Amino acid sequence: GAVVSQHPSRVICKSGTSVKIECRSLDFQATTMFWYRQFPKKSLMLMATSNEGSKATYEQGVEKDKFLINHASLTLSTLTVTSAHPEDSSFYICSAREGRGVSNQPQHFGDGTRLSIL
Amino acid sequence: EDQVTQSPEALRLQEGESSSLNCSYTVSGLRGLFWYRQDPGKGPEFLFTLYSAGEEKEKERLKATLTKKESFLHITAPKPEDSATYLCAVLYGGATNKLIFGTGTLLAVQP
Repeated sequence: GAVVSQHPSRVICKSGTSVKIECRSLDFQATTMFWYRQFPKKSLMLMATSNEGSKATYEQGVEKDKFLINHASLTLSTLTVTSAHPEDSSFYICSAREGRGVSNQPQHFGDGTRLSIL
Repeated sequence: EDQVTQSPEALRLQEGESSSLNCSYTVSGLRGLFWYRQDPGKGPEFLFTLYSAGEEKEKERLKATLTKKESFLHITAPKPEDSATYLCAVLYGGATNKLIFGTGTLLAVQP
């Protein structure tokens, strides 16, 4: 149980392109999803918390106009990197969690998206 | 400052050589400590949740324990397929769902 699917797994595109990444919870309803960024040999850095039916909450220093998050259903959240530049190249990982509001339930992660901007 | 520290950064074991990984934390109001395994190029895979000091969880060759200051992940008779980065993460405080991750321990088990 608790499977999270993330697509695509890898994207290579030119500078200025917008890229959309999908995160789906396959066997549970996820009222809350999270988007992380991971640099090589570093731990996960939370970018934003995505709440179904409401606006995402962004961490300090994360540009909300650059990283657009939509959580339109209980099983799908999307992250769009708008007008991507080489410095946006990274490993992006989503996670999903059961339970509404503040919860102690574990987060379950997708397999990540390797984004490379040329 | 709220912090999660993992040690060692890297650990090389021979197959069958048991050892422990450490996750120490300095946060107030711990609500949960989570262990994950991450393979290269993949997302973290959930292993255990520990909620209170004294709690223990086991799964195959892995056993996680929790005190008021730290958690240990004990690996008994590891196999090469146990090679991965092991991450711990802490959920703490009041009205927040934010996890703080440690930087991980890279475990290599040689046959």
